[in-house]
This record gives sequence, C-alpha cells and structure tokens, in this order.
Amino acid sequence: KQEVTQIPAALSVPEGENLVLNCSFTDSAIYNLQWFRQDPGKGLTSLLLIQSSQREQTSGRLNASLDKSSGRSTLYIAASQPGDSATYLCAVFNAGNMLTFGGGTRLMVKP
Amino acid sequence: DTAVSQTPKYLVTQMGNDKSIKCEQNLGHDTMYWYKQDSKKFLKIMFSYNNKELIINETVPNRFSPKSPDKAHLNLHINSLELGDSAVYFCASSHLRGGNYGYTFGSGTRLTVV
Repeated sequence: KQEVTQIPAALSVPEGENLVLNCSFTDSAIYNLQWFRQDPGKGLTSLLLIQSSQREQTSGRLNASLDKSSGRSTLYIAASQPGDSATYLCAVFNAGNMLTFGGGTRLMVKP
Repeated sequence: DTAVSQTPKYLVTQMGNDKSIKCEQNLGHDTMYWYKQDSKKFLKIMFSYNNKELIINETVPNRFSPKSPDKAHLNLHINSLELGDSAVYFCASSHLRGGNYGYTFGSGTRLTVV
C-alpha cells in the first residue's frame, strides 16, 4: 500500500527566503507525481505535474524534482512571498490513475 | 471557463437524511473522481469512474454511491447520513491515462451532519 509523507508538516519563514518542501513515498512504482496548493477553505490548485519519465518541472518561482528510485520529490520555492502562504500537497499517481496524497505542508510566509 | 464545478458549496443536514452532491466538468476528461478530506485535512480517494469502469475504495461505506448520467457528470449520493460523514468532498477529473494532464479539482462541498 502506497504511503506518502510530507516534511515538514508546518513551516514559517520570512519573506524572500528560498525554501524546500519534501515529499517521500514508499512504493517507487508510481506513474506520475503532482504538487497542489490549497488555500484555507478552498479547493486544490495544481502547481506542477511531473511525469514518471521526467526528473523535474519548473513554473515561475517553483521547481519540483522527482527521484523515483529513492522515493522522493521536492518542491523548491524561490524568493517566497506572503501570497505563497497555503498548504502544499504532494500526490502520487497509482494504478487506476488514483492519487495518494501526503498530509501536506502548511507554509506561512511572513512580511 | 473550463473547470470542474460542484454544487452545493455548503450542505448542512440532519442525521439519517439522504443527500446528493453534483459535479460537472467541461474539460473533455474521460475519468472523474470523488475524494474526501477529513477534519485532519487528509485527502483520500473514494471513487474513480469512467464510462467503462467504476473503482471503489474498499473503505467507503455502501451508503455512498456515485451516479454518472454522462461523461461530464459524476454525482455523489449519500444515504442515511451519519455524523462521521461530515467532511469536505472534492470532485476531480482527468484523462484515464492522466500522466500528461494531471488532475483538475473542483472547489469542494463542505458537508456538515448535525
């Protein structure tokens, strides 16, 4: 059974810092991995999708990497801003195209 | 707007009632899903459905049933609601071989059973 863990569970940083969010999964036989953002009381917004054949994806200040062999993914956020404050969720694609989610990292960026 | 939309956004109901949550997607995806986010904010798959196959998470009580009138809609019907059913329910869609496109989620329905 796939298990996804995100570390840290919560993170508070001053504005402008570069930061790394970690995601690990127990079964390396994943298809793809997707990072989402969830604002309080809101739905999930897709940030980056990494296909199983890729090692990283970039979008603006975000960069996500994937190392299937070690069961790890990282989300790098450059020059953090208060607007980046949210919960970040990592999800791996399993058979049947269903997602297994991590518990999320709650990020607070202070002005 | 291309999106996954679900209604209602909020639903408050009494124990024992039957209720439905509607979901529609206009993205042309062939697969739709229901996920549940519990009080600890943990998201878990409930159902995966396309026009060929329904996959049910074995932990989902049979009081929950998906109903799909067509490829663009997947409604969630819940019988005999219980207090423990209170959660946020998210609808989502993707292509079955979703690798190239990933998931798109709706904005969620917050269900409160009193």
